Amino acid sequence: GNSVTQMEGPVTLSEEAFLTINCTYTATGYPSLFWYVQYPGEGLQLLLKATKADDKGSNKGFEATYRKETTSFHLEKGSVQVSDSAVYFCALILSNAGGTSYGKLTFGQGTILTVHP
Amino acid sequence: KAGVTQTPRYLIKTRGQQVTLSCSPISGHRSVSWYQQTPGQGLQFLFEYFSETQRNKGNFPGRFSGRQFSNSRSEMNVSTLELGDSALYLCASSLLAGANEQFFGPGTRLTVL
Repeated sequence: GNSVTQMEGPVTLSEEAFLTINCTYTATGYPSLFWYVQYPGEGLQLLLKATKADDKGSNKGFEATYRKETTSFHLEKGSVQVSDSAVYFCALILSNAGGTSYGKLTFGQGTILTVHP
Repeated sequence: KAGVTQTPRYLIKTRGQQVTLSCSPISGHRSVSWYQQTPGQGLQFLFEYFSETQRNKGNFPGRFSGRQFSNSRSEMNVSTLELGDSALYLCASSLLAGANEQFFGPGTRLTVL
């Protein structure tokens, strides 16, 4: 079946440190890949996405590149801020050859990030 | 443009009762999906609706059901509640069925006592 595996957390960093959260996936067909972020007491916010191999998604200083050869979609940020403290979820959705998705997001277990001043 | 809204935000029920949760998608969005989030199982897909029809279903017992109305608003119902149904229930909307980008609401926190 399809699955997403994220690095174990929690991750604790000092402000301005470099962030990497690893994500690998197993999927048949044509997955699109996503990073979602969840702040305390809130729902999920889409952070970035990539729909095909070698695409790079980026937003708010975060980046991730869709690597088909290593089935990975690692999240990176060059300099984290206290406000980045949240839970980060890697996810995939399958599509058919025409690009129409099957509507079901499969999530990793989430990685808690805490950034200290 | 208003985001996805879910009501109620918090709910406390006892075992054996039933509950109905409501979701209003982003204006113009016609597809609604539901997810359950628990500490033990993480985020799991419940079902997806488009044009009042269930398009996809996750691996949950028949106690979990849903529907969608002609204005795209959706409800999910859980009957005969169990303690393990305590969770954050998230609704997500997308423009069309088959769109791969989903926008989430704040969730309904259900506690079963």
